[in-house]
Amino acid sequence: EPEVTQTPSHQVTQMGQEVILRCVPISNHLYFYWYRQILGQKVEFLVSFYNNEISEKSEIFDDQFSVERPDGSNFTLKIRSTKLEDSAMYFCASSAVNSPLHFGNGTRLTVT
Amino acid sequence: QKEVEQNSGPLSVPEGAIASLNCTYSDRGSQSFFWYRQYSGKSPELIMSIYSNGDKEDGRFTAQLNKASQYVSLLIRDSQPSDSATYLCAAASSGGSYIPTFGRGTSLIVHP
Repeated sequence: EPEVTQTPSHQVTQMGQEVILRCVPISNHLYFYWYRQILGQKVEFLVSFYNNEISEKSEIFDDQFSVERPDGSNFTLKIRSTKLEDSAMYFCASSAVNSPLHFGNGTRLTVT
Repeated sequence: QKEVEQNSGPLSVPEGAIASLNCTYSDRGSQSFFWYRQYSGKSPELIMSIYSNGDKEDGRFTAQLNKASQYVSLLIRDSQPSDSATYLCAAASSGGSYIPTFGRGTSLIVHP
């Protein structure tokens, strides 16, 4: 069964550093998403992406965040200057039109 | 503000019993509803989706939707210890902004 893959599984970075989280969505899906989950809290929407542009973003997705689909298969989330409060699990997801989201295994980001 | 509310639990049931998980949502425009299972430290895994009022059965799982009451539930029959996890309810509007909003999840413990 096709799946969403994310790399790395765990990223440790120092406060103020830039990180790039990578995702390969399911190949025939057209909609891509990033969610995050701070330990013990709910899964929160960050951004959705369709047709090579952001279709919607949440209040969390401020100027320090950006997304890109650099090569037609990868989908990346960049955090320019990480803060301690960015520590969380980051989930990439993809879906077909009006269909359930399929999540990747996540990247655990630890900012020290 | 779109909200999905769930009792955080834990809900503890004996092996073989029926587990009943409930969820309410605030956005009357929500048309699609999902139940995901999340094991500790893992990503959400889709169990069921439901789009119209009534019951939908899939194996040991039954999802129930009542749009008038803005209420979604998940029944797990013949509960097994391997069902012990956090169950996330999510709601999305159809068309346009199809962004699932997640509840905090209900922790289910099935004891032998």
